[in-house]
Amino acid sequence: DAGVIQSPRHEVTEMGQEVTLRCKPISGHDYLFWYRQTMMRGLELLIYFNNNVPIDDSGMPEDRFSAKMPNASFSTLKIQPSEPRDSAVYFCASKRGGADTQYFGPGTRLTVL
Amino acid sequence: AQSVTQPDIHITVSEGASLELRCNYSYGATPYLFWYVQSPGQGLQLLLKYFSGDTLVQGIKGFEAEFKRSQSSFNLRKPSVHWSDAAEYFCAVTSGTYKYIFGTGTRLKVLA
Repeated sequence: DAGVIQSPRHEVTEMGQEVTLRCKPISGHDYLFWYRQTMMRGLELLIYFNNNVPIDDSGMPEDRFSAKMPNASFSTLKIQPSEPRDSAVYFCASKRGGADTQYFGPGTRLTVL
Repeated sequence: AQSVTQPDIHITVSEGASLELRCNYSYGATPYLFWYVQSPGQGLQLLLKYFSGDTLVQGIKGFEAEFKRSQSSFNLRKPSVHWSDAAEYFCAVTSGTYKYIFGTGTRLKVLA
């Protein structure tokens, strides 16, 4: 199994630009989670999907953030416009329904200048 | 409020010494508990988990953890630390609602 795949691994952009992070969950997993990790706040759940449908987006910081899951094998997290305070590592994780263990991708390190 | 506390931000041990990382939780329902490890530049890897049954659980890489309901704790232990264990360790709790609550992490340094 390839595990959760995220791209890009590193992203450097300028304030005001649009940023799109991508995630491919493990095949057969029907839950997908987006997390953000910062020194100040640790690991925070931003949003999660079940069967491609957003279930809980209460962790999304503001309207500049949006996430989609057009099919079972692909999800995006978009930030528009980006700000320096968005700099963080963004993780995607997936799990199979009925199981409780989430499997994490390697993360995308985002730097907004 | 639901929370997970890892009291130690940094821990330094010598290679070969024993290790205990602390985790305390506050959770109204029966918790499912996890320990994850994050090596530099890497994602989180599951070390072990506790759902029910035997309160002493074994994980990968020689780690174990003990669930103590009376103390609301789920401490991670290893009898002999290897240099490759240097990483950050996260405790997490969920009630099965799919939302993990993570602790702030403990960064482990291993001295040769």
